[in-house]
Amino acid sequence: AQSVSQHNHHVILSEAASLELGCNYSYGGTVNLFWYVQYPGQHLQLLLKYFSGDPLVKGIKGFEAEFIKSKFSFNLRKPSVQWSDTAEYFCAVNARAGKSTFGDGTTLTVKP
Amino acid sequence: EAQVTQNPRYLITVTGKKLTVTCSQNMNHEYMSWYRQDPGLGLRQIYYSMNVEVTDKGDVPEGYKVSRKEKRNFPLILESPSPNQTSLYFCASSLGGELFFGEGSRLTVL
Repeated sequence: AQSVSQHNHHVILSEAASLELGCNYSYGGTVNLFWYVQYPGQHLQLLLKYFSGDPLVKGIKGFEAEFIKSKFSFNLRKPSVQWSDTAEYFCAVNARAGKSTFGDGTTLTVKP
Repeated sequence: EAQVTQNPRYLITVTGKKLTVTCSQNMNHEYMSWYRQDPGLGLRQIYYSMNVEVTDKGDVPEGYKVSRKEKRNFPLILESPSPNQTSLYFCASSLGGELFFGEGSRLTVL
């Protein structure tokens, strides 16, 4: 069975600080990897995705993530966060048709 | 505009009173899915459908039913709701694994 683990449940940063959110998954085969963001009171939206190719993927709003196959990781990064990045972030794995598994989420609070 | 539409957005009901949450997508996606979101537990998949007339259980299917008679619609049915089904529910459709979510339906069962 596939599973996803997000290391940080709640992260608090000041504006302009750098961000890295950890995500590890367990599955032995080929995976598609995603980061979704949920702004307060809204539905989830795609930040970025990895299917194949360059393991460093860039998404919207300056976010990027790196797939490291040997570590089963797909960490999310942003060099300089803004107050508007305050949201909940979910890592997700889609390893076989129909089955998407989400991590528990990381709440990011950015202080102005 | 491409979208996934859920109704109702908010509902308060009582234990045992059957209810249906509708979900419709206009993107011609074959895949659709239902999730519930609870604090500290992330999103958990309830049911999913790979295509019309094909449905499968997700991680937490107990107490729920679904049907997929048409490609665009995927209603979630709670035959006899209980308080532990109080949650925020999201419908999603997918193309190539990327999920497109509805706005969510907040359900309270008293």
